[in-house]
Amino acid sequence: KAGVTQTPRYLIKTRGQQVTLSCSPISGHRSVSWYQQTPGQGLQFLFEYFSETQRNKGNFPGRFSGRQFSNSRSEMNVSTLELGDSALYLCASSFRGAFYGYTFGSGTRLTVV
Amino acid sequence: AQSVTQLGSHVSVSEGALVLLRCNYSSSVPPYLFWYVQYPNQGLQLLLKYTTGATLVKGINGFEAEFKKSETSFHLTKPSAHMSDAAEYFCAVETSGSRLTFGEGTQLTVNP
Repeated sequence: KAGVTQTPRYLIKTRGQQVTLSCSPISGHRSVSWYQQTPGQGLQFLFEYFSETQRNKGNFPGRFSGRQFSNSRSEMNVSTLELGDSALYLCASSFRGAFYGYTFGSGTRLTVV
Repeated sequence: AQSVTQLGSHVSVSEGALVLLRCNYSSSVPPYLFWYVQYPNQGLQLLLKYTTGATLVKGINGFEAEFKKSETSFHLTKPSAHMSDAAEYFCAVETSGSRLTFGEGTQLTVNP
């Protein structure tokens, strides 16, 4: 079966702009989580959606937001980009949550200049 | 708060040697624990997970891990390293509400 698909793979944006990243989970998976990976901070949880509802949110500023659609596809948006937002953004999907394990996508590499 | 600590940010082994990557967790209740591997410019791939039941967990690519409650450990092992095992490995614990908290990662180098 198809894996978790994240688009685009690479993105270059200018400070102050906004960006939207997309994630298509594995068919049948209803939980989608987002993580930020940087060399300095490692892997940090952004938020998790289940059946279009945000179930959990990490410690990120309000500039980071997300949503999930009825087909379980998810988007995350970052407004007013800062240089420190440069990172690999990873999406993970699961049938219902941790017990079932998470499958990660290949990520979107965001560079803010 | 639940967390994991990976001992050793870099581990180097010879091809064919035992691989041992260490992970200790802090949790007041038996947690869900995971090991993931990340190859350059790729996402994370699940190697194995412990949820309930048998404490020795077998994963993909010949890896296994043992949940030891008395030692609060979940070390990852592989009897014989292969060049293709060179990658970064992350231990993770499920914290509140399906959130994964990751360790800092261990870079594994396999020498010919």
